[in-house]
Amino acid sequence: AQSVTQPDIHITVSEGASLELRCNYSYGATPYLFWYVQSPGQGLQLLLKYFSGDTLVQGIKGFEAEFKRSQSSFNLRKPSVHWSDAAEYFCAVGVSNKFYFGSGTKLNVKP
Amino acid sequence: DGGITQSPKYLFRKEGQNVTLSCEQNLNHDAMYWYRQDPGQGLRLIYYSQIVNDFQKGDIAEGYSVSREKKESFPLTVTSAQKNPTAFYLCASRRDRSNQPQHFGDGTRLSIL
Repeated sequence: AQSVTQPDIHITVSEGASLELRCNYSYGATPYLFWYVQSPGQGLQLLLKYFSGDTLVQGIKGFEAEFKRSQSSFNLRKPSVHWSDAAEYFCAVGVSNKFYFGSGTKLNVKP
Repeated sequence: DGGITQSPKYLFRKEGQNVTLSCEQNLNHDAMYWYRQDPGQGLRLIYYSQIVNDFQKGDIAEGYSVSREKKESFPLTVTSAQKNPTAFYLCASRRDRSNQPQHFGDGTRLSIL
């Protein structure tokens, strides 16, 4: 069965520091991979997606993610975090028109 | 602007009542989805539909029902058989191509009185 693991439930970083959120998936082939962000009481907004080709993908708001096939990982990164980045982040895998989500990582940003 | 509209934003249900959550999209998307979100559990798929008049059960369909009579609309009914309905419900849609992402509405929070 497909699964998506986000091992960090909460992460706190200082404003201006770098960020890496981890995501591992379990699937036989290379799936379609996504990162979404959710503010409290809101829907999910797509940050970036990976289908094939270059394993480093750029997204909105200065985020990027790197696909590593050997590690079944798709980690999200940002070089310098802003206070407005505080939110919950979800990794998702797309397989045959269905999507599987990780349990999310809540990001707090210290001033 | 195109988008997905979920209504109402907040909904309260008495024990034994059925309630219907609305989801409308004007993106001309073929596929639509309903998810339930509980704290610490991510999103779990309730139902999805890839075409009008057809839909499939997701991982937690018990106690829920849907219809897809129009391409734009995919309402979700939470029946009295759903014993723990308090949750945040999200509707999504996408173009039915294999590499297309989902677009989400702003959600409906359902609570039991």
